[in-house]
Amino acid sequence: RKEVEQDPGPFNVPEGATVAFNCTYSNSASQSFFWYRQDCRKEPKLLMSVYSSGNEDGRFTAQLNRASQYISLLIRDSKLSDSATYLCVVNMYRSNFGNEKLTFGTGTRLTIIP
Amino acid sequence: NAGVTQTPKFRVLKTGQSMTLLCAQDMNHEYMYWYRQDPGMGLRLIHYSVGEGTTAKGEVPDGYNVSRLKKQNFLLGLESAAPSQTSVYFCASSASSSYNSPLHFGNGTRLTVT
Repeated sequence: RKEVEQDPGPFNVPEGATVAFNCTYSNSASQSFFWYRQDCRKEPKLLMSVYSSGNEDGRFTAQLNRASQYISLLIRDSKLSDSATYLCVVNMYRSNFGNEKLTFGTGTRLTIIP
Repeated sequence: NAGVTQTPKFRVLKTGQSMTLLCAQDMNHEYMYWYRQDPGMGLRLIHYSVGEGTTAKGEVPDGYNVSRLKKQNFLLGLESAAPSQTSVYFCASSASSSYNSPLHFGNGTRLTVT
């Protein structure tokens, strides 16, 4: 089993729709979770951290399910500019420190269709 | 404020040639990282540095060397390039190693080894 696993997609979603995708992780001791966004042929950029109680940033909602070992990202009222690859990133370390311990998923590709 | 700058952006090498990738950051960050990104795989850490004059191995260090002589610069060297090193290389920096200190990535270097 991969340490961090994502559905590669592609997800093709009409503009204005809601889309959600999950990411599973193998290490139950993992403490820190993130979603990064990567546009085509560009560098990854932090979208949002994922907190235990779930968190929202505008149209984006991130949730953590420790019992089932997955995190999710929900995008509401999707925009054309949301088209990108979304990377799930997990700190596979029994601590909130250790960026060098970050494990990146392969990404889920999202295309918003006009 | 340029953030993280990588040079060169593109390079083609022949097997056995050497080259150095330069990463420069102007955010006064302590931590710097070199990743490679390959199709179907998540970003993988090659080497990292927790401060000026220090370096450490990441997940896939073989065939690469690094140096951090100045706080703002992190160099990645390939002494004898191999086709398996064809990849997109990303440099990143963070203020600390804490989970709330996100990674800031450079634009990437696309390297092809023939």
